[in-house]
Amino acid sequence: GESVGLHLPTLSVQEGDNSIINCAYSNSASDYFIWYKQESGKGPQFIIDIRSNMDKRQGQRVTVLLNKTVKHLSLQIAATQPGDSAVYFCAEIPLGGSYIPTFGRGTSLIVHP
Amino acid sequence: DGGITQSPKYLFRKEGQNVTLSCEQNLNHDAMYWYRQDPGQGLRLIYYSQIVNDFQKGDIAEGYSVSREKKESFPLTVTSAQKNPTAFYLCASSQGVREKLFFGSGTQLSVL
Repeated sequence: GESVGLHLPTLSVQEGDNSIINCAYSNSASDYFIWYKQESGKGPQFIIDIRSNMDKRQGQRVTVLLNKTVKHLSLQIAATQPGDSAVYFCAEIPLGGSYIPTFGRGTSLIVHP
Repeated sequence: DGGITQSPKYLFRKEGQNVTLSCEQNLNHDAMYWYRQDPGQGLRLIYYSQIVNDFQKGDIAEGYSVSREKKESFPLTVTSAQKNPTAFYLCASSQGVREKLFFGSGTQLSVL
């Protein structure tokens, strides 16, 4: 049978560069979006969230952009550091139904010193 | 410190054996969740509970069981009916529905 998804999309950057991680979501009814960071062997940590009444939200060194027209979410990390190396997941929560978050596969960010 | 505690960190299951993964939270959250993570995959929902004494199946509930007798506890049993149990299991909680999830540190389950 076909081997499915053993390799995550990967983004490699140099320390000090800005990183942009993208996420396409599927449910047009989703109105709450969350970014998580997961280091190897650990549970995901909350980074930043955004609701659909906004198109941009900034945190410390991170910015999330939401484009509802094309159902696209991005996470921008400024001045990327080696400690930012991890897998980054986006999650979408629909308005209605069970309200349970759905997670993307994730993107592996590798920061080279 | 407030948070979610999963134990054990590593667990080994023999064929035909049921094993139980512990999840405790002291965040006073109403909702709790169990996810399964396989290498290179996203998180898949096993079970969730939005209130004590009530829980719902997620996308991959077959071969698993849960209970929610106390607000702070949501144990997951991996039964012998789960033929491919090797994975990283994550427990999470949230204040309520449509709120961000907080995760535990995970349990790696392997088959002997």
